[in-house]
Amino acid sequence: GAGVSQSPRYKVAKRGQDVALRCDPISGHVSLFWYQQALGQGPEFLTYFQNEAQLDKSGLPSDRFFAERPEGSVSTLKIQRTQQEDSAVYLCASSLDRGGYEQYFGPGTRLTVT
Amino acid sequence: AQSVTQLGSHVSVSEGALVLLRCNYSSSVPPYLFWYVQYPNQGLQLLLKYTSAATLVKGINGFEAEFKKSETSFHLTKPSAHMSDAAEYFCAVRVNTGNQFYFGTGTSLTVIP
Repeated sequence: GAGVSQSPRYKVAKRGQDVALRCDPISGHVSLFWYQQALGQGPEFLTYFQNEAQLDKSGLPSDRFFAERPEGSVSTLKIQRTQQEDSAVYLCASSLDRGGYEQYFGPGTRLTVT
Repeated sequence: AQSVTQLGSHVSVSEGALVLLRCNYSSSVPPYLFWYVQYPNQGLQLLLKYTSAATLVKGINGFEAEFKKSETSFHLTKPSAHMSDAAEYFCAVRVNTGNQFYFGTGTSLTVIP
């Protein structure tokens, strides 16, 4: 009965380093979303997967951001050459349906770039 | 363009008083609307959703929201606040032509004993 899990929960990276953030969705959930949440703001959409297919990546802020979900379950969000403006909480959510009408969120990964 | 505006970043109510959290949206097409709650140190949790069925939607923990197309609003209410309702509340919209979700900036609810 596990929910969505994310790892690591906290990540400190020096500017210019690459980071990889992992999301384990609820088993069997078709849809997977990544969001970026800056301090004091609401989540901002980054990208959406339906099974292994990345159907929408329009929210990724730059080509330094890359997400994958190769087997339709676990997903990884990778940020290359991190910048200070990348500091945020990165949220993953999964949904049983294709529309994401009932998303279950993970606890997030707090990324701090120094 | 789609967006969500939550009026009032902080709302305080007395225990037992009415809770009213405001949400207005802008959308060029009929939207789907959601309220999520985030308790301290927990992930976001769906409270309720509007998906073009009944305009008055009931959710968990006694919350409800009414979709008013003429006012482009989806305000969240609860008749009587409990201490356990203290949390951050987010309104979100999804346009039915895509899978992008747009969240408001959140309203922090404080319940005063």
